[in-house]
Amino acid sequence: NAGVTQTPKFRVLKTGQSMTLLCAQDMNHEYMYWYRQDPGMGLRLIHYSVGEGTTAKGEVPDGYNVSRLKKQNFLLGLESAAPSQTSVYFCASSSSGADTGELFFGEGSRLTVL
Amino acid sequence: AQSVTQLGSHVSVSEGALVLLRCNYSSSVPPYLFWYVQYPNQGLQLLLKYTTGATLVKGINGFEAEFKKSETSFHLTKPSAHMSDAAEYFCAVVKTGRRALTFGSGTRLQVQP
Repeated sequence: NAGVTQTPKFRVLKTGQSMTLLCAQDMNHEYMYWYRQDPGMGLRLIHYSVGEGTTAKGEVPDGYNVSRLKKQNFLLGLESAAPSQTSVYFCASSSSGADTGELFFGEGSRLTVL
Repeated sequence: AQSVTQLGSHVSVSEGALVLLRCNYSSSVPPYLFWYVQYPNQGLQLLLKYTTGATLVKGINGFEAEFKKSETSFHLTKPSAHMSDAAEYFCAVVKTGRRALTFGSGTRLQVQP
């Protein structure tokens, strides 16, 4: 069972470079989420999607863009990386809204911006 | 806005001792509350959740939590800690009808032999 798969798992960028994180889920879930985890701050929601072709902003969306062209994939893009975006990024999916459904998480992608 | 506060970023207990991890929520309406656990270098997984009904909720691995509206709390407990319980624990909240969870800052549990 693959569940939620994130690629890449590790990446080092220079300030100003761009990159895309890919999240793929094989559970046919409608909802997908991108969170970032920083020490002492828990997980903060960047963007989320309630279905194919939809996206919405979370708590900390600035500097990120997302796309959900296929139901199983949710892409997180950084157009011009900044050191403040050094973090561990987690993707999650759920069959229904977060109030009723369990979130299933990937193993995380560690990004360092120099 | 919905939010949760976890008291204590680090908690250390001896193996076999009681585990108590504290979580308080702020909400103008009764929220849905969750505890997630994160083992080293892994994603989060659901321990237990409170939505409606019984205020004492049992989860996996012997953990339970009690929703206390009068105290706006949802503390996580386990009667006897095991070495395998060492992990980071996150309390989370969502308002009915909302789409995403809001997480607390986390509590790292250390279990001493």
